[in-house]
Amino acid sequence: DAKTTQPNSMESNEEEPVHLPCNHSTISGTDYIHWYRQLPSQGPEYVIHGLTSNVNNRMASLAIAEDRKSSTLILHRATLRDAAVYYCILRDPLNQAGTALIFGKGTTLSVSS
Amino acid sequence: EAQVTQNPRYLITVTGKKLTVTCSQNMNHEYMSWYRQDPGLGLRQIYYSMNVEVTDKGDVPEGYKVSRKEKRNFPLILESPSPNQTSLYFCASSSLTSSGANVLTFGAGSRLTVL
Repeated sequence: DAKTTQPNSMESNEEEPVHLPCNHSTISGTDYIHWYRQLPSQGPEYVIHGLTSNVNNRMASLAIAEDRKSSTLILHRATLRDAAVYYCILRDPLNQAGTALIFGKGTTLSVSS
Repeated sequence: EAQVTQNPRYLITVTGKKLTVTCSQNMNHEYMSWYRQDPGLGLRQIYYSMNVEVTDKGDVPEGYKVSRKEKRNFPLILESPSPNQTSLYFCASSSLTSSGANVLTFGAGSRLTVL
């Protein structure tokens, strides 16, 4: 799977929107962009995924650049519970061998009240 | 509730004493895997299984064994634990589909300390 680049940390205030960027300049045509997050003392949890179009779900929105070389996870109103490490991961569903998610260091999001 | 259950959640053991960390999923997923998480190294895959009786090594398999006799269970076995296996372990499962929606569901983690 191709590599992703994320900022090490970001800060936000409660109730404000948060935009978490991810660069993936070597993404292939079949790679889906997945976001997971890991709250303190918990296992990673799925947030959202997309291929080409922007996506929304109850947790977040995913904005994907037209050339797919970058994407942004958007938390519309950050809460204290959103403080976590956010991982941007590329996943090729056609390449099931291994199917390991390559977790980088992710972005540590801090949320202040 | 759809979930992946790991046991034990916490374990302190001594070098050389065989132990097994169990993992069970109730989602009828074909794919299961084990990861370990260490400070500064992130999550690394130990072993994975594409289906019953099909297992393969991940990135850091040394010192570990797995088995997949039933679809729902994927135990991680440390035959002779050593201190460098002190870590936080996560089991995960997913369905195998061709869509991008084959997301992984992770367990809550098992913190293992080997003295």
